[in-house]
Amino acid sequence: AQSVAQPEDQVNVAEGNPLTVKCTYSVSGNPYLFWYVQYPNRGLQFLLKYITGDNLVKGSYGFEAEFNKSQTSFHLKKPSALVSDSALYFCAVSENTGGFKTIFGAGTRLFVKA
Amino acid sequence: EAGVVQSPRYKIIEKKQPVAFWCNPISGHNTLYWYRQNLGQGPELLIRYENEEAVDDSQLPKDRFSAERLKGVDSTLKIQPAELGDSAVYLCASSLVTGTWHEQYFGPGTRLTVT
Repeated sequence: AQSVAQPEDQVNVAEGNPLTVKCTYSVSGNPYLFWYVQYPNRGLQFLLKYITGDNLVKGSYGFEAEFNKSQTSFHLKKPSALVSDSALYFCAVSENTGGFKTIFGAGTRLFVKA
Repeated sequence: EAGVVQSPRYKIIEKKQPVAFWCNPISGHNTLYWYRQNLGQGPELLIRYENEEAVDDSQLPKDRFSAERLKGVDSTLKIQPAELGDSAVYLCASSLVTGTWHEQYFGPGTRLTVT
């Protein structure tokens, strides 16, 4: 069975600094990896995904994520944080078991200080 | 393009009462999901539909929860009777699953409070 871990409950970063939100996963087969963002009182929004191909994936709002197979990680990154990036971020992993079953991490709250 | 629509947005009920949530997915999406999100946690899958068929309902508490997806479009999730522990946000999502593409698009959720 697949699992996903987000080791940090909260990440604090100053505006303009680079940010990293960590995610590690476990699957028995090939992983399909996602990042979603949740703003207050809104549903989750898709940010980016890794299916296959280049290990560095670019997504919405300037975010990118790096797939590392040996470390089973899929960390979310952004070169320069904005105050408006403050939100709850969820990493998710899917496995093809005759259909795609997706497991979400517990979430990491990103706080960007002006 | 309209997103996933859910109603109601908020619901407060007393324990042992029934409650129902409605979801209208993005047009053309063949897969629909219901999740429960407790405070401070990630979404947990309750049921997944491919078209009209419930293909994964292993996490649905079937003694009190039921769901249906009529004609492979709209879906309703029901709880009867509700318990205090059912207080959570119930999220509906949809996706167009083609090959390995299956990112999900979420509605705003229904916040349920059971008193």
